Amino acid sequence: DAGITQSPRYKITETGRQVTLMCHQTWSHSYMFWYRQDLGHGLRLIYYSAAADITDKGEVPDGYVVSRSKTENFPLTLESATRSQTSVYFCASKHGGQGAHEQYFGPGTRLTVT
Amino acid sequence: LAKTTQPISMDSYEGQEVNITCSHNNIATNDYITWYQQFPSQGPRFIIQGYKTKVTNEVASLFIPADRKSSTLSLPRVSLSDTAVYYCLVGGYSNASKIIFGSGTRLSIQP
Repeated sequence: DAGITQSPRYKITETGRQVTLMCHQTWSHSYMFWYRQDLGHGLRLIYYSAAADITDKGEVPDGYVVSRSKTENFPLTLESATRSQTSVYFCASKHGGQGAHEQYFGPGTRLTVT
Repeated sequence: LAKTTQPISMDSYEGQEVNITCSHNNIATNDYITWYQQFPSQGPRFIIQGYKTKVTNEVASLFIPADRKSSTLSLPRVSLSDTAVYYCLVGGYSNASKIIFGSGTRLSIQP
């Protein structure tokens, strides 16, 4: 199916465990993003990638690691999960054309850290 | 950082025009203004983008004054299905780390 998908959709993990959230897009968009959205709040950028093998920090990168070996995939890893990382995580992508600012968002992953 | 300020919430009725204003006093020369809509338990959905003056598409209009320090999203003849949170986003992708989503405006449409 064309679009942007995230897996898993729901995840419960324990404090201290490593967890990886997956993001896959089929459009070959150059840009990909990871956001977190805490209950009742707006989105905050964690990391983004302008192309394969190019990543950079956003507003709240601490405790997270990303990689982008292939254009279509952008996994987000929580190296040692903490309760403060309980949130909904959204992945997004956009193409790199001049003046193109439309991000396409995935359905989100609801992560609970106990 | 081009921080944005929006009203926390707004109420309106079906069939009315709704205008949501976003303040972005520190907007940079190469920043664009983008608006998103978000329903509960879903990712945000792009509505409209603009750089200056007026932009219109099939769902909304975006008005940007000459100084670009604010913008207004206009939703014509709203319906119950327009009840959602609306986010104003200011930024350019030359430095995507500076992209900031505000807290959004919770729009509630009544019959």
